[in-house]
Amino acid sequence: GAGVSQSPRYKVAKRGQDVALRCDPISGHVSLFWYQQALGQGPEFLTYFQNEAQLDKSGLPSDRFFAERPEGSVSTLKIQRTQQEDSAVYLCASSLGQGAPYEQYFGPGTRLTVT
Amino acid sequence: GESVGLHLPTLSVQEGDNSIINCAYSNSASDYFIWYKQESGKGPQFIIDIRSNMDKRQGQRVTVLLNKTVKHLSLQIAATQPGDSAVYFCAESLRVVNKLTFGGGTRVLVKP
Repeated sequence: GAGVSQSPRYKVAKRGQDVALRCDPISGHVSLFWYQQALGQGPEFLTYFQNEAQLDKSGLPSDRFFAERPEGSVSTLKIQRTQQEDSAVYLCASSLGQGAPYEQYFGPGTRLTVT
Repeated sequence: GESVGLHLPTLSVQEGDNSIINCAYSNSASDYFIWYKQESGKGPQFIIDIRSNMDKRQGQRVTVLLNKTVKHLSLQIAATQPGDSAVYFCAESLRVVNKLTFGGGTRVLVKP
C-alpha cells in the first residue's frame, strides 16, 4: 500500500516568508510525528499527534512553528517568518497506535532552504 | 536529493564482509531501541528493534545487541552488500511515550 507522503519535496523560501509543509500518513495510522533533520545529523523530534490531539509539542524550537492535524489524518507543519536556521529536512512519520512500541514509518521529507 | 552523511563517521567495508555499527544511547530509562537506515534523499527506514528486556535480537542478515550496563547498542550486518551503503541511525524511546531520540549516525560505504 501507499506509504507516508510529504509535499512539497523541496521548498525554497526567502527569509521572513511563511511556509506550510504537508504530511499524508498511512491510512488508519493513529499517531503522527514531525522531526527536523539538519544536514549531517540525526532527526530531532518536533511534535506528536494522536488522532487530532497534539499530545507533545516540546520539540518545537520557537513559537514560529505550528502544527495541526484537524481531522486526525493529514497534518500540516507551518513555519512563520522563516529564518536561515530553519533550513533542514522536515520528516513526518506515522504509526499504527500509541503506547506499545509501534513501528514508525517515515516519509521522504521536505527539504526547506531559507535564503 | 541531499546528502545525509556529509559529516558523519564513516565505516568502509568490503563487499561480503560483516559490518558492526556502534551506538551509545543517552537515557538509562529508555526501554525501546531501533536501528534505521537512511539513503540519500529518503526518510529513515526501519531495520530492526529491541526491547530493554532483551540483549540480542536477530533478523534477516542483521543482529542487534543491547548492553544496558554501559548504554551501548550495536548493529551487525552479515555479508554486507552494495545495497547496504547508507547512513545508519540508532534511536531510543520510552514505549509509553513513543517519540524517538536519534543518535548521530554512521555512514557505511560498501566497496565492491
